[in-house]
Amino acid sequence: AQSVAQPEDQVNVAEGNPLTVKCTYSVSGNPYLFWYVQYPNRGLQFLLKYITGDNLVKGSYGFEAEFNKSQTSFHLKKPSALVSDSALYFCAVRGYGGSQGNLIFGKGTKLSVKP
Amino acid sequence: DVKVTQSSRYLVKRTGEKVFLECVQDMDHENMFWYRQDPGLGLRLIYFSYDVKMKEKGDIPEGYSVSREKKERFSLILESASTNQTSMYLCASSPLVGVFDTEAFFGQGTRLTVV
Repeated sequence: AQSVAQPEDQVNVAEGNPLTVKCTYSVSGNPYLFWYVQYPNRGLQFLLKYITGDNLVKGSYGFEAEFNKSQTSFHLKKPSALVSDSALYFCAVRGYGGSQGNLIFGKGTKLSVKP
Repeated sequence: DVKVTQSSRYLVKRTGEKVFLECVQDMDHENMFWYRQDPGLGLRLIYFSYDVKMKEKGDIPEGYSVSREKKERFSLILESASTNQTSMYLCASSPLVGVFDTEAFFGQGTRLTVV
């Protein structure tokens, strides 16, 4: 069965410092991985995805993610955090089987960036 | 831009009421999904549909039903609302072609409170 784990409920970072939000996955086939961000009382906004190719994927708002097949990880990163990056971040993997590619989500990580 | 629009941002309903949550997408996507989001649990799939009049159960379908009479519209129905259905509900859509490597697009969410 496919699954996603986000081991940290919350990540605290000072503004200007680099940030990492961790994600590990388990899939039965090729991994199709996604990161989404959610601001309070809003829907999910797509940040970036890994389908194939370069292990370093660049996305919106200066975010990037590193795909590591041997560690089955897809960590989200940003070189210099902004206060406005404070939000809830979800990692997701595309499911296989009869669900027509349903996204399977982690539990989310709350990112707090302090000035 | 892809638009997924949910009919209400906030709803307050009484226990036992029949509740309709509406979702409309404007990108001619075949796949549509209803998720429920609860703190610490991430997003859980309630139902999805890959075509008009087609529906499939997700992980937590109990107490819910869906309707898809037109391609652009996917409705979630709470047959008899209960307090444990108080939650944030998110609708999403994605195309069928390239389903695995295409991100899903989300609505802004409906925060439902059942009293």
